[in-house]
Amino acid sequence: AQSVSQHNHHVILSEAASLELGCNYSYGGTVNLFWYVQYPGQHLQLLLKYFSGDPLVKGIKGFEAEFIKSKFSFNLRKPSVQWSDTAEYFCAVNNNNAGNMLTFGGGTRLMVKP
Amino acid sequence: DTGVSQDPRHKITKRGQNVTFRCDPISEHNRLYWYRQTLGQGPEFLTYFQNEAQLEKSRLLSDRFSAERPKGSFSTLEIQRTEQGDSAMYLCASSTGPITGQFFGPGTRLTVL
Repeated sequence: AQSVSQHNHHVILSEAASLELGCNYSYGGTVNLFWYVQYPGQHLQLLLKYFSGDPLVKGIKGFEAEFIKSKFSFNLRKPSVQWSDTAEYFCAVNNNNAGNMLTFGGGTRLMVKP
Repeated sequence: DTGVSQDPRHKITKRGQNVTFRCDPISEHNRLYWYRQTLGQGPEFLTYFQNEAQLEKSRLLSDRFSAERPKGSFSTLEIQRTEQGDSAMYLCASSTGPITGQFFGPGTRLTVL
């Protein structure tokens, strides 16, 4: 069974600091990878996705993620965070053998101090 | 694009009661998913429909749980004889395919007393 690990459960940054959130998955085959964000009081929103091609993908609000197949990783990055980035971030994986289900990591709660 | 809607947003019930939740997906999305999320955890997959056919069910979905999507549009998730361990946020998502990403609704928060 596939699994997803997000090693940082809580991250606190000051505005303008750079962000990198780790995500590792266990499945060795072809995968589709996603990052979702949940702002306080709001529902899950798709931030970015990777399914093929350029392993560096860009998403909304200045976020990007890099797929490194050899490391089974899909880390999320942002060069300069803003207070409005305070949210919970979830990495998710889908692979063809698991059908259409998404397997989520446990989430990383980011707090950006103004 | 009106997004995925769920009803009710909150449900408080007593142990042993039955509850039913509704999900209306984005209109052109033929795939519909149910997930459960407990505090401090990521969502966990429950079941998946393509049109009206229920194609996948998680082992988390005990025989007290049943889901339907009778006309391939909205879906219902029923929990019979609720238990305190059923307390969670129940999320619905829809999509047009596995690589498009799933679009989530606001969820129904269930509290079982």
